[in-house]
Amino acid sequence: DAGVTQSPTHLIKTRGQHVTLRCSPISGHKSVSWYQQVLGQGPQFIFQYYEKEERGRGNFPDRFSARQFPNYSSELNVNALLLGDSALYLCASSLTGDIRTDTQYFGPGTRLTVL
Amino acid sequence: SQQGEEDPQALSIQEGENATMNCSYKTSINNLQWYRQNSGRGLVHLILIRSNEREKHSGRLRVTLDTSKKSSSLLITASRAADTASYFCATDWGSGYALNFGKGTSLLVTP
Repeated sequence: DAGVTQSPTHLIKTRGQHVTLRCSPISGHKSVSWYQQVLGQGPQFIFQYYEKEERGRGNFPDRFSARQFPNYSSELNVNALLLGDSALYLCASSLTGDIRTDTQYFGPGTRLTVL
Repeated sequence: SQQGEEDPQALSIQEGENATMNCSYKTSINNLQWYRQNSGRGLVHLILIRSNEREKHSGRLRVTLDTSKKSSSLLITASRAADTASYFCATDWGSGYALNFGKGTSLLVTP
């Protein structure tokens, strides 16, 4: 079975631009979560979506937004890019999104560089 | 903020040796999970241990959990060069949906 897929693999943008990152969950999984990983740090939670509804949001500014589509794929949008947004963006999928019972399966990530 | 803190930050061993990494956390948890990350790529789930469990095994991996000390350890036995990676512990915040990761332990296994 295919795992979590993300596109693009790498992306270079300049300050002020916006970016859209995409994620396809494992077949049958209804929850998608997004994490940001800055170099040398652990991943930081950004959003979780379940059944197309936002279930939770981390401590990120409103420049970050996301949505989930009827096929459970998801997009992460970041507006007005800052240098500090340079990071590896990870998508994770699970059956229900409940981390107390479900394993989160991560994709390979999108490496975003903001110049 | 990052609740989990791994120790040591970096570990270098030779093939065949055992590697032990520790994780400490601050608040009560439902479970604790360990992940591996190769060269800044995606995270691979290794093992989940629930708060009512004390020890769990998976192949060459052994995880222990001490809720009284709010700590966990990951032991990799008979390490291989392919085990070279960063290892992260992750806990739930109580929200049920957000994993809280530590900064990770960077493991280097040399032939």
